[in-house]
Amino acid sequence: DAKTTQPPSMDCAEGRAANLPCNHSTISGNEYVYWYRQIHSQGPQYIIHGLKNNETNEMASLIITEDRKSSTLILPHATLRDTAVYYCIVRVEGTYKYIFGTGTRLKVLA
Amino acid sequence: DAGITQSPRHKVTETGTPVTLRCHQTENHRYMYWYRQDPGHGLRLIHYSYGVKDTDKGEVSDGYSVSRSKTEDFLLTLESATSSQTSVYFCAISGTNYGYTFGSGTRLTVV
Repeated sequence: DAKTTQPPSMDCAEGRAANLPCNHSTISGNEYVYWYRQIHSQGPQYIIHGLKNNETNEMASLIITEDRKSSTLILPHATLRDTAVYYCIVRVEGTYKYIFGTGTRLKVLA
Repeated sequence: DAGITQSPRHKVTETGTPVTLRCHQTENHRYMYWYRQDPGHGLRLIHYSYGVKDTDKGEVSDGYSVSRSKTEDFLLTLESATSSQTSVYFCAISGTNYGYTFGSGTRLTVV
């Protein structure tokens, strides 16, 4: 199954950019990369997704390498409210199921 | 989140009893999913549905069954609840290539 690999935890100073990496070396074809975050025990919240080109929205930017084997989510000016677990996921080829890993626990420090 | 509702929000049940969790959507999305989340783990896929009466297993499907008799409802059933099924259960819906919308979760405790 398609899998993603993320560091288990990261710290970031408030106001600085948070760069969260994800490895998805088994990504195939035209599968998108999606990023979600989960704050406390709430349901995960969609952040951004991309295919080949870099993407930006009001929440974050997504940088995808040319070979598409990895990506980086960038929160340009992290705030304390960005403290959460961030998940990078891809769809399992040939299905419509998405496998989450354990994500990266980001702690934004004051 | 608007468009997706899980019920109940909390439930305590005894070992060996059947339990059904309900996910209801108003978005007319084709795909629906059930995940569980436990401390130290991320979200693990239990079952998913790609249409009415069309379902498939996920990573941790043992002990669970699902049914989808209409587009808007996806039911997760624990035929005989065990303590290892104590967890937070999330439902999610998906349209085409735009990822998920998650429900608020159901906290299930099996005693």
